[in-house]
Amino acid sequence: DGGITQSPKYLFRKEGQNVTLSCEQNLNHDAMYWYRQDPGQGLRLIYYSQIVNDFQKGDIAEGYSVSREKKESFPLTVTSAQKNPTAFYLCASSAAGQKEKLFFGSGTQLSVL
Amino acid sequence: DAKTTQPPSMDCAEGRAANLPCNHSTISGNEYVYWYRQIHSQGPQYIIHGLKNNETNEMASLIITEDRKSSTLILPHATLRDTAVYYCIVRDNAGNNRKLIWGLGTSLAVNP
Repeated sequence: DGGITQSPKYLFRKEGQNVTLSCEQNLNHDAMYWYRQDPGQGLRLIYYSQIVNDFQKGDIAEGYSVSREKKESFPLTVTSAQKNPTAFYLCASSAAGQKEKLFFGSGTQLSVL
Repeated sequence: DAKTTQPPSMDCAEGRAANLPCNHSTISGNEYVYWYRQIHSQGPQYIIHGLKNNETNEMASLIITEDRKSSTLILPHATLRDTAVYYCIVRDNAGNNRKLIWGLGTSLAVNP
């Protein structure tokens, strides 16, 4: 089945530690996105990539980094510079001809120990 | 892209129709209305979208008023599995998805 896979489902980070969240899709989609969701707030865009080897900052990119070396993969690193990393992280993708239709992964809940 | 206004919560009896309203009074002529839903601790799921005409698919129907300032998502026979947060979003189809504004949505509780 085609889809978008995020791992792990739950992740814990120690103070000062970088952690990387995985996002893989086999939908052959060109565009991929990372969102952050906090309780009582809407989804906020962290980074997005419209094509391999290219990515753009979203609204809350500080403290995060991404790479897009392969079409299928768009990992997100939460660096130690992100002072409030506890949140639900969602990865999404969309096809070039259907930008309006986002497909989401099941999310990763990141917590700080 | 225009902002939307939705009631924070709604209840619906199982088997009855759930009608979820959305106000988008500042929508412009080339902006579409999209609906997604998010079941607890999962990623949002696309439901339906439309421009002017009413739309129907296997999941729901979308009714857009003639002046396009509001719309209603209809789940014709709600089940317990339809309990979720429903998001109404408007956007220009020529625009980038980075401009999507995700509000708080409507939390729909389907009761047995």
